Amino acid sequence: GIQVEQSPPDLILQEGANSTLRCNFSDSVNNLQWFHQNPWGQLINLFYIPSGTKQNGRLSATTVATERYSLLYISSSQTTDSGVYFCAVVANAGNNRKLIWGLGTSLAVNP
Amino acid sequence: DGGITQSPKYLFRKEGQNVTLSCEQNLNHDAMYWYRQDPGQGLRLIYYSQIVNDFQKGDIAEGYSVSREKKESFPLTVTSAQKNPTAFYLCASSIRTGNVKNSPLHFGNGTRLTVT
Repeated sequence: GIQVEQSPPDLILQEGANSTLRCNFSDSVNNLQWFHQNPWGQLINLFYIPSGTKQNGRLSATTVATERYSLLYISSSQTTDSGVYFCAVVANAGNNRKLIWGLGTSLAVNP
Repeated sequence: DGGITQSPKYLFRKEGQNVTLSCEQNLNHDAMYWYRQDPGQGLRLIYYSQIVNDFQKGDIAEGYSVSREKKESFPLTVTSAQKNPTAFYLCASSIRTGNVKNSPLHFGNGTRLTVT
């Protein structure tokens, strides 16, 4: 089945810094989503982005489907950005409609 | 506001007891899902349902059961057959557009189950 790899696994930033999180996937996809899980466990859908670029405030995401990767950009990071960022995909091939999840990037933003 | 409500937030049970976790949504979503998350891990799919009165096993369905009698509700029962039930359980929903591949997923706040 499709594999999803996220990097880096851990990231520590000072408040105000910018960062780029990466999600690589091993096969073509027609569904890719980025999620943020805060330290209390709440999961929020950030982007639904199987291709192209989207922006929402300080966050933006780009998926290059032909090269099988997606990037999540966080600009001017804040302590509230801390938590785990997950990438999840659904493969184009086959009848499996389930989201396949990466293991996440754990981000800590220090004041 | 529309959303997904999971209750309770924390749940404690003795080993050997069945326990049911509640998940209710008022987003008018057709599809609902249950995931399990263990510390430092990603999410693993337990069960999902694309329509009322129908549900499918996910990757780790053993020891769990579900029902989907109403569109708004998708309760999960953790049975005594589940060998390691202590975990964080997340319920999610999405619009069924005829192809579940194209639907953003929305989550509840989760239930932390501890079995001793």
